[in-house]
Amino acid sequence: AQTVTQSQPEMSVQEAETVTLSCTYDTSESNYYLFWYKQPPSRQMILVIRQEAYKQQNATENRFSVNFQKAAKSFSLKISDSQLGDTAMYFCALAGANSKLTFGKGITLSVRP
Amino acid sequence: NAGVTQTPKFQVLKTGQSMTLQCAQDMNHEYMSWYRQDPGMGLRLIHYSVGAGITDQGEVPNGYNVSRSTTEDFPLRLLSAAPSQTSVYFCASSYQGLANEQFFGPGTRLTVL
Repeated sequence: AQTVTQSQPEMSVQEAETVTLSCTYDTSESNYYLFWYKQPPSRQMILVIRQEAYKQQNATENRFSVNFQKAAKSFSLKISDSQLGDTAMYFCALAGANSKLTFGKGITLSVRP
Repeated sequence: NAGVTQTPKFQVLKTGQSMTLQCAQDMNHEYMSWYRQDPGMGLRLIHYSVGAGITDQGEVPNGYNVSRSTTEDFPLRLLSAAPSQTSVYFCASSYQGLANEQFFGPGTRLTVL
């Protein structure tokens, strides 16, 4: 069975500052994919960033980047220059070869003006 | 493209009633899935389908049925609603399985009294 753990239920950050959201996972697969999804108050789920486990290079998407530590099974999300629109719930997710996507419990991020 | 559509957006049922949550996508995606989102639990997979005519169980399948007669549609049936099925339900689809971005519908908020 694969698991995803997000141990921090909520975080707060000042606008324009940097924040890191933590995620650890466990899987027996050698080939897998990791994702961060954002869910704003509108409830719509939006992909933030995707990482392929066989790629050593950390994925980046504009202000969003990940720190992927494969040996430690850690996949944290760094948000730089935080904006008010980043206020949302963030979910870490793992997709393995078993055709199932497993989500963490999520973290609520609040960006303060 | 409409993307992934779900109907209804809101529904109130009485215990023991049955209903079908509709999901459709117009992106010709093979993979479709249903999740439920409960506070503090993240998203949990109910059922998924890797193509027309093929479905399988996820993490929390009890009390739910699915079928996939066409590529576009993936309805979720509640056989005899229970208060424990009060939740927000999301349908998602993706191209060529879980390695790629999941496109989510807007969700259905279901309350079972």
